[in-house]
Amino acid sequence: DSGVTQTPKHLITATGQRVTLRCSPRSGDLSVYWYQQSLDQGLQFLIQYYNGEERAKGNILERFSAQQFPDLHSELNLSSLELGDSALYFCASSVDWGGPYNEQFFGPGTRLTVL
Amino acid sequence: AQTVTQSQPEMSVQEAETVTLSCTYDTSESDYYLFWYKQPPSRQMILVIRQEAYKQQNATENRFSVNFQKAAKSFSLKISDSQLGDAAMYFCAYRSANYGGSQGNLIFGKGTKLSVKP
Repeated sequence: DSGVTQTPKHLITATGQRVTLRCSPRSGDLSVYWYQQSLDQGLQFLIQYYNGEERAKGNILERFSAQQFPDLHSELNLSSLELGDSALYFCASSVDWGGPYNEQFFGPGTRLTVL
Repeated sequence: AQTVTQSQPEMSVQEAETVTLSCTYDTSESDYYLFWYKQPPSRQMILVIRQEAYKQQNATENRFSVNFQKAAKSFSLKISDSQLGDAAMYFCAYRSANYGGSQGNLIFGKGTKLSVKP
């Protein structure tokens, strides 16, 4: 158990819908990262937050957004869902926002299926 | 931009034998970290081993060791005395050691699926 929690574990929804994925980082970690794992794209970095502020953006679609709240949990919002958004979404956390000795610990992931 | 390449989509090894998974990367940075992650059927991402680029000595964790060739930008994983529980997807990953920009995140290869035969 990495100490990072993600809910829900599984999510099944229809095209055009909107969903919210939730992540709670390890105690003491200030950074949260979101990654998407799909069959065709592999594991891709989406976005990073550090202590409530967006720190870095990767290959995140405009239909997707995220935020980190004062209690440091984070939510990833996916809207106007398409079939291709079906994937495993991982959250990871770390103490710092970059630099050395900044190990990332992964949550168990949320499996999103868009029908 | 940094890239990570794993050229072996699938590998197979006999139980108790040794197997080596390959990884190459491309970067213009001099200070970075390299990782091998294991993803079993449970889908949990498990850190297997890490290597700091400034260290010449290859990292070792029990039956897992790496061959880090900085000049060649190569980072292979050797699994000795393979066990059935080693069967999983293995991902090579890169992370900058610097602050700033998008350098805190991990950049992954496509993965290698390892099967272990009894």
